[in-house]
Amino acid sequence: KNEVEQSPQNLTAQEGEFITINCSYSVGISALHWLQQHPGGGIVSLFMLSSGKKKHGRLIATINIQEKHSSLHITASHPRDSAVYICAVRPNSGGSNYKLTFGKGTLLTVNP
Amino acid sequence: NAGVTQTPKFQVLKTGQSMTLQCAQDMNHNSMYWYRQDPGMGLRLIYYSASEGTTDKGEVPNGYNVSRLNKREFSLRLESAAPSQTSVYFCASSEQGAHYGYTFGSGTRLTVV
Repeated sequence: KNEVEQSPQNLTAQEGEFITINCSYSVGISALHWLQQHPGGGIVSLFMLSSGKKKHGRLIATINIQEKHSSLHITASHPRDSAVYICAVRPNSGGSNYKLTFGKGTLLTVNP
Repeated sequence: NAGVTQTPKFQVLKTGQSMTLQCAQDMNHNSMYWYRQDPGMGLRLIYYSASEGTTDKGEVPNGYNVSRLNKREFSLRLESAAPSQTSVYFCASSEQGAHYGYTFGSGTRLTVV
């Protein structure tokens, strides 16, 4: 079983819709990252969370440490939001706490 | 622009050939990483360097070697390329400590024929 599970794997939305992508993990963590990758492109860090909620523009990320769950929300989605969104956790197990474990990603397509 | 620079962006190799992927960061980060990304799988760690002068194996190190040349540069070498090494390779860097973000390079798309 993967330590980091994302859902859904694929998501298609209409422009303007509210989007939610979920991430569940099975290990104790010191931080959780949300990353964005456009098709054929590099990887950009969106958020790093260890508790609570962060907001940047139309993107909101939340984390519940007790439930080992995080969500990434996109409000008023736009076609330029089409990308793969990747959840990654930084386990807090001893010497490996600076390495990330990645989910497989959620492919988001926003149609105009 | 500050960040992580990877070269080359694309490469085609024949089976058995060798090559080195270069990575350099200008953010004075201590830790650097090499990942590979394959369809249907999450990013997997090949090797990492927690600080200058140290390197360690990640999840999938077989067939690769690395060199932390200095604090800025971390190279990945394929001594004898195999088709199973066809992948997209990403270099990343971060500060040590749990509450620092990662910066990724733009990737190297490698095809081994």
